[in-house]
Amino acid sequence: GAVVSQHPSWVICKSGTSVKIECRSLDFQATTMFWYRQFPKQSLMLMATSNEGSKATYEQGVEKDKFLINHASLTLSTLTVTSAHPEDSSFYICSARRGARTNEKLFFGSGTQLSVL
Amino acid sequence: ILNVEQSPQSLHVQEGDSTNFTCSFPSSNFYALHWYRWETAKSPEALFVMTLNGDEKKKGRISATLNTKEGYSYLYIKGSQPEDSATYLCARNKAAGNKLTFGGGTRVLVKP
Repeated sequence: GAVVSQHPSWVICKSGTSVKIECRSLDFQATTMFWYRQFPKQSLMLMATSNEGSKATYEQGVEKDKFLINHASLTLSTLTVTSAHPEDSSFYICSARRGARTNEKLFFGSGTQLSVL
Repeated sequence: ILNVEQSPQSLHVQEGDSTNFTCSFPSSNFYALHWYRWETAKSPEALFVMTLNGDEKKKGRISATLNTKEGYSYLYIKGSQPEDSATYLCARNKAAGNKLTFGGGTRVLVKP
């Protein structure tokens, strides 16, 4: 089956620093990747949609200058949380879609727990 | 209904018993309904993607039904086993859009 690898699994950082999270599709080319955030006891909330070689599309309320998304190849997307603050502490998870149809199933990474001190 | 909602939030099932739970979603502009199983410390794994009203899908002991007119889907687990313990997520695709809107999940714990 298709595998999506996400690193790191958890990260602790100081307030004001930047953190990069990687999402790789290991055995397929992902036309589209998605980044989600989940706060405790809440649903997965879509942050942004990224397509290889183009700018990410951010959801309303998500600061694009704070959450930088790069999708430089068909197998790698990165999310950089810039100048992280304690309120950015959350669980971040990526997913990838293999084909172009919007009703295709998604393949998920295992998530990153970010704690900002 | 305005959002994707799942009920109950959690349930305990005795091993061998069958169970089911609900995903409710806005019926307008419906495109597809996804079910995912998410075991602790693992990646969510797709179970089903359903598009047509009346769809029924089955994977082993797990099955799902879809009613797009009234906006709900049921997931059934027959003869629950401890390995079925997980959070089950549903998500709705809006027509012609990329975005999947997720429910809060139903956490299932199967007791031996």
